[in-house]
Amino acid sequence: DVKVTQSSRYLVKRTGEKVFLECVQDMDHENMFWYRQDPGLGLRLIYFSYDVKMKEKGDIPEGYSVSREKKERFSLILESASTNQTSMYLCASSLQGGEFFGPGTRLTVL
Amino acid sequence: QKEVEQNSGPLSVPEGAIASLNCTYSDRGSQSFFWYRQYSGKSPELIMFIYSNGDKEDGRFTAQLNKASQYVSLLIRDSQPSDSATYLCAVRYGTNAGKSTFGDGTTLTVKP
Repeated sequence: DVKVTQSSRYLVKRTGEKVFLECVQDMDHENMFWYRQDPGLGLRLIYFSYDVKMKEKGDIPEGYSVSREKKERFSLILESASTNQTSMYLCASSLQGGEFFGPGTRLTVL
Repeated sequence: QKEVEQNSGPLSVPEGAIASLNCTYSDRGSQSFFWYRQYSGKSPELIMFIYSNGDKEDGRFTAQLNKASQYVSLLIRDSQPSDSATYLCAVRYGTNAGKSTFGDGTTLTVKP
């Protein structure tokens, strides 16, 4: 079974802090994705990567950056957290076909 | 207009009935279509994918694709209370890689 893990299930940070969300997949997938999910707004793509050191902006990249130094790991960085970044963050990976999601990180920015 | 549209529901069906979930998309170049199930408080789980026009069956689930009409549907036969969840439709331009666009989901409730 594909396993996608995320570093934290719940995270509470202060406004202005730098926040790192880590995602690791164990199936040698080429593609990795970061989404946020908010009630009424659905699932929105922040960034995705189709290879090591490659990244592409999704629909809402503002305020975020990513890093992919190794194939299995894709990190999402909030350079200076703001309250409007309070959300559920979901990481996913895929090879061909559909995406496999991690359990999510619920981030609260106070 | 959103790129991927789903009725938000809620859709309520009795146990044992057929649940029909629909999705329309705007990009005619779309080639890959996916259905995900998301239980409350959980992350989405891939349940079906379809690339060609017609029907694809997997157990109690059937995905139907009509590219000319730009819609994809999911039928759940013999619905069970455990099928109660939000179902997300996703569409991808390419077949192998690239980003998917998700609909907002349809919430299904199966009543015992």
